[in-house]
Amino acid sequence: DAGVIQSPRHEVTEMGQEVTLRCKPISGHDYLFWYRQTMMRGLELLIYFNNNVPIDDSGMPEDRFSAKMPNASFSTLKIQPSEPRDSAVYFCASSRQGIVYNEQFFGPGTRLTVL
Amino acid sequence: GDSVTQMEGPVTLSEEAFLTINCTYTATGYPSLFWYVQYPGEGLQLLLKATKADDKGSNKGFEATYRKETTSFHLEKGSVQVSDSAVYFCALSGHPQGAQKLVFGQGTRLTINP
Repeated sequence: DAGVIQSPRHEVTEMGQEVTLRCKPISGHDYLFWYRQTMMRGLELLIYFNNNVPIDDSGMPEDRFSAKMPNASFSTLKIQPSEPRDSAVYFCASSRQGIVYNEQFFGPGTRLTVL
Repeated sequence: GDSVTQMEGPVTLSEEAFLTINCTYTATGYPSLFWYVQYPGEGLQLLLKATKADDKGSNKGFEATYRKETTSFHLEKGSVQVSDSAVYFCALSGHPQGAQKLVFGQGTRLTINP
């Protein structure tokens, strides 16, 4: 079974450009999470979805960030316009509702560099 | 709100040394507790978990016991290997069931020298 798939793995862009990160969760999982990881701030939860509906977007840093989940097998995180301080590794994770806690499965991440 | 505090890193040990990484938490109710590990260039993966007080999670020689009286979940391993070099994250889930969001500690970088 394939794990969480993220693309691209690396993205280098210039300040002001639009950036779109993509995620395919594990089939059958009904929760999807977007995280950002930096040396300074550690691991931050940006937003998460349940059954394609955004549940908590309180971690989204500002209006330049937006996330969508049009169907159960695809999600995007968009930054427009991008800024150098957005440089980070962005992780997508998915999990399945269960009787007890089910682990979150993380993708390999997208390393974003904004010049 | 809920929070997790881990011991400051980085931690450097020699192979076969004993490892302890401290983790304490603040939460209302009865959280579930977890340790995740991140190997270089990879995403996080679950190492072990405990869902109620006095439970002991274990995996790959690592152990952690859910101590409600001290609000702690310290990670231990009796004899570390070079392959254990990674970043370790303590986390909690404040919901009693289901796959709700996790609150992570800041991570502890562990380096094991041969």
